[in-house]
Amino acid sequence: DTEVTQTPKHLVMGMTNKKSLKCEQHMGHRAMYWYKQKAKKPPELMFVYSYEKLSINESVPSRFSPECPNSSLLNLHLHALQPEDSALYLCASSQGLWGKTQYFGPGTRLLVL
Amino acid sequence: QQQVKQSPQSLIVQKGGIPIINCAYENTAFDYFPWYQQFPGKGPALLIAIRPDVSEKKEGRFTISFNKSAKQFSLHIMDSQPGDSATYFCAALGGNQGGKLIFGQGTELSVKP
Repeated sequence: DTEVTQTPKHLVMGMTNKKSLKCEQHMGHRAMYWYKQKAKKPPELMFVYSYEKLSINESVPSRFSPECPNSSLLNLHLHALQPEDSALYLCASSQGLWGKTQYFGPGTRLLVL
Repeated sequence: QQQVKQSPQSLIVQKGGIPIINCAYENTAFDYFPWYQQFPGKGPALLIAIRPDVSEKKEGRFTISFNKSAKQFSLHIMDSQPGDSATYFCAALGGNQGGKLIFGQGTELSVKP
């Protein structure tokens, strides 16, 4: 089973709202990732967690706050977003960081009004 | 040096044709090259992947050709079908990237019936 699940599928929020995106995998993977994808563009890496510790932060604005409560779960907390943050947010996981296949979830389509 | 260049940007073929998508990289430390297929509104799905010690890999109708000396690799889709219409991304991983996938810009493939 190579499934990564994400909730919600769709999210509409105002610029003053606080919301969270959730990601879950049960493949025993120890690395988890958040990506942002705009239309007709490749995914852009935001954060990488390895063994539940933040490994990479690609200079993402502080209005995005990741959290890895355990090895199976990854959250992305959203606060005071801007309309330009509207995008498809993808979660991925892999066995480890080095040369390992990343499996993507279906994504959360976020619209910021 | 961290880029992966992908071409063409878009491709239209007739059913049964063999679309070819090309990618080139600079960083010789990359050691893992996956291809992802993405349908509209969905997350990228791993299609096939190759390591640089192999010159060709086939999985069903999908073939990766790898030229290590030229630092190029390509995806061939045999007997293409309308259901193959999607966006294809090549990517590279390795070196000191710590799990950061470097994506090409994507190729939008349309297979006409």
